[in-house]
Amino acid sequence: KQEVTQIPAALSVPEGENLVLNCSFTDSAIYNLQWFRQDPGKGLTSLLLIQSSQREQTSGRLNASLDKSSGRSTLYIAASQPGDSATYLCAVVGEASGTYKYIFGTGTRLKVLA
Amino acid sequence: NAGVTQTPKFRVLKTGQSMTLLCAQDMNHEYMYWYRQDPGMGLRLIHYSVGEGTTAKGEVPDGYNVSRLKKQNFLLGLESAAPSQTSVYFCASSNRPDYTFGSGTRLTVV
Repeated sequence: KQEVTQIPAALSVPEGENLVLNCSFTDSAIYNLQWFRQDPGKGLTSLLLIQSSQREQTSGRLNASLDKSSGRSTLYIAASQPGDSATYLCAVVGEASGTYKYIFGTGTRLKVLA
Repeated sequence: NAGVTQTPKFRVLKTGQSMTLLCAQDMNHEYMYWYRQDPGMGLRLIHYSVGEGTTAKGEVPDGYNVSRLKKQNFLLGLESAAPSQTSVYFCASSNRPDYTFGSGTRLTVV
């Protein structure tokens, strides 16, 4: 059974710092990995999607990498801003999953201090 | 383009009452999902559908039923609400590869 873990559970950094959020998964046979952002009381917003054949994806100040063999993904946020404060979730879907079901981690709650 | 719309946004139920949550998507997506989100538990899949007229159980299906009579709608029903079903419910749809989520329904069962 696939399990997704995110460390740390919470993180507080001063504005301007570069930071890394970690996601690990137990079954390396994944089809996709997706990073989401969730603001308090809101839904999930897709940030980056990495397909199994890709190693990384970039969008603005965000860069996500994927190492399937080690079961890890990292989300790098450059020059953090208070507006980046949110919970960040990663989710994976298995290669054999014809039903395309995502399994989610429990998230990292990020607070960027002004 | 509305994306994924969930109704209602908030609801308070008494134990034993029933209700239906509606999820509607206008992206012609084949796959639709219902998740619940609880503190410290992350998102857990309740039921899902891979196309009109199909439904299947997810990780935590007990106490819930679903229907997908039309491709654009996915309904989640609670027949006899219990306090353990107090949660935030999210609907999502997908045509591969990525997911689009609704804004959630906050349900409290007292």
